[in-house]
Amino acid sequence: GAVVSQHPSWVICKSGTSVKIECRSLDFQATTMFWYRQFPKQSLMLMATSNEGSKATYEQGVEKDKFLINHASLTLSTLTVTSAHPEDSSFYICSATLEAPDTQYFGPGTRLTVL
Amino acid sequence: QQQVKQSPQSLIVQKGGISIINCAYENTAFDYFPWYQQFPGKGPALLIAIRPDVSEKKEGRFTISFNKSAKQFSLHIMDSQPGDSATYFCAAANFNKFYFGSGTKLNVKP
Repeated sequence: GAVVSQHPSWVICKSGTSVKIECRSLDFQATTMFWYRQFPKQSLMLMATSNEGSKATYEQGVEKDKFLINHASLTLSTLTVTSAHPEDSSFYICSATLEAPDTQYFGPGTRLTVL
Repeated sequence: QQQVKQSPQSLIVQKGGISIINCAYENTAFDYFPWYQQFPGKGPALLIAIRPDVSEKKEGRFTISFNKSAKQFSLHIMDSQPGDSATYFCAAANFNKFYFGSGTKLNVKP
């Protein structure tokens, strides 16, 4: 149980285009979902926290107009990277929590490459 | 300010040996300490976790030791296997907000 999926697993796009990444909790309803960014050989950096039906809470330094997060249901959250630039190239990982607090289950990640 | 400090950055262990990774934290409000295992190109997978009311938790070959007074916790991997070769992250959490260590790349030599 507690499986989280992400789609796509990798994407290559041109600079200036927008990319949407989906995060789904497959066998449970996630009250909260998180979006992380991970650079090569580095740790995970929390970008934002989203709760179903409400606006996401962004971490300091994360541009909310650039990284749009929508949490439309208890099983789906999306991250849209708008007007992507090469510096946005990274590994984006989502996670979801069950009702029990603190237990985060991570998705497999999405590799974004912006040319 | 780094909330969780992890060491070593990399570790090489012979098959059958014990792998030990250490983490330290500052914020005494943290009440959940998980360890995650990550393979290249994959998301982190929860390995084992502990809360501060216990000093040790063991699950199979994996053990967490927790020292509340020193604000330190460590992961011990007994009988390390080549399949354990991965990057390991510790984390400290409070109210669902996670702070991750910088990661330890473990290489278990056959």
